[in-house]
Amino acid sequence: NAGVTQTPKFRVLKTGQSMTLLCAQDMNHEYMYWYRQDPGMGLRLIHYSVGEGTTAKGEVPDGYNVSRLKKQNFLLGLESAAPSQTSVYFCASSYSKFSGGYNEQFFGPGTRLTVL
Amino acid sequence: GQQVMQIPQYQHVQEGEDFTTYCNSSTTLSNIQWYKQRPGGHPVFLIQLVKSGEVKKQKRLTFQFGEAKKNSSLHITATQTTDVGTYFCAGGGTSYGKLTFGQGTILTVHP
Repeated sequence: NAGVTQTPKFRVLKTGQSMTLLCAQDMNHEYMYWYRQDPGMGLRLIHYSVGEGTTAKGEVPDGYNVSRLKKQNFLLGLESAAPSQTSVYFCASSYSKFSGGYNEQFFGPGTRLTVL
Repeated sequence: GQQVMQIPQYQHVQEGEDFTTYCNSSTTLSNIQWYKQRPGGHPVFLIQLVKSGEVKKQKRLTFQFGEAKKNSSLHITATQTTDVGTYFCAGGGTSYGKLTFGQGTILTVHP
């Protein structure tokens, strides 16, 4: 199993350009997440999905859109990139909640995005 | 909304010294998870605590969940250079599957 994969690994954009980050998982997980990681800020949730065809906003959703057309894929889009979106983006997935707690999240290797 | 604070932000220790990181939530948590991220890597799940007052051990690592389920700690005994990395706590609330991560503690171990 490849686990969680992310494409691309690195990207440099100019302000105003658009791009899509792709996350794929082969573990048949229901839940998928997009986080951004900035120094001193930890991992902040951008959007998440609890199943195919559903998405929800996280802590920092502004400037991003997502789609989950297939269970195994979760796409993160930046319509008009800004320098404030320079960050490392992590995708994660997990099984759905079970009685008594949550399931662990499996993270992808990350995408390092720089917006000039 | 739910906030999870983690301290300290940085910790430098000599190999063999102990290390502790603390996590505090503004609200009662349903569970808490701990992750480790090696430099240049991605977060990797370590453990989950669910019950009030729960204590779990993994070799030199001891995890505690407070009685009020609003705080947690990770203690490493006799640190090794392989313990280097960032340790995150993540609290679960009422939204299915949604975790709130602390800012992380960056651990440096000097040989």
